[in-house]
Amino acid sequence: QVQLVQSGAEVKKPGASVKVSCKASGYTFPSFGISWVRQAPGQGLEWMGWISGYNGNTNYAQKLQGRVTMTTDTSTSTAYMELRSLRSDDTAVYYCTRDRSITMVRAGDYWGQGTLVTVSS
Amino acid sequence: QSALTQPASVSGSPGQSITISCTGTSSDVGGYHFVSWYQQHPGKAPKLIIYDVTSRPSGVSNRFSGSKSGNTASLTISGLQAEDEADYYCASFTTSRTQVFGGGTKVTVL
Repeated sequence: QVQLVQSGAEVKKPGASVKVSCKASGYTFPSFGISWVRQAPGQGLEWMGWISGYNGNTNYAQKLQGRVTMTTDTSTSTAYMELRSLRSDDTAVYYCTRDRSITMVRAGDYWGQGTLVTVSS
Repeated sequence: QSALTQPASVSGSPGQSITISCTGTSSDVGGYHFVSWYQQHPGKAPKLIIYDVTSRPSGVSNRFSGSKSGNTASLTISGLQAEDEADYYCASFTTSRTQVFGGGTKVTVL
């Protein structure tokens, strides 16, 4: 069965960086994309970006351009999301999702369990 | 990119039908057939219930249906059940090749 297993919770200080991993299993990794979505406490969903599992092409949300980098390691079927220059309003649960397309963000049909990132001094 | 507009809350009695709207622009909802809907129960990850405006993933109840007219997409839940009480989010592909979510709608089963 399809599974996305994310790395554990993180606590970071303002200005630091965080890198969250998402290990996929149960499907052919290069045949799908991966999107990252975050949810601040008590708030709605926010799309962060998408990466193709096929060729590593990316699209990022404009507000995160320059602070976020998404990568994949096809040898281990793992996707990574790194967010730099962390601020308190980056405190959120971060989700990876398997996207139905390898050419563009379309819809996330399987989701990871979420990773809580807390930014606090 | 501004968030898509959804009503904050919708309620209905068991067995009734409810509809949640999702309004965007011609640069997102109105311009593409790539609108999706997600259900999220408290403390859980979202679950895809509709993609490409009208398609249901395998295993999703046929009580959930999607549609679109102009810049507004809609999710209808028929035969409302207690387990349908959750938050619902729409999302759309945009001209910038990004995705934008709606603000979310809390569904209450009376």
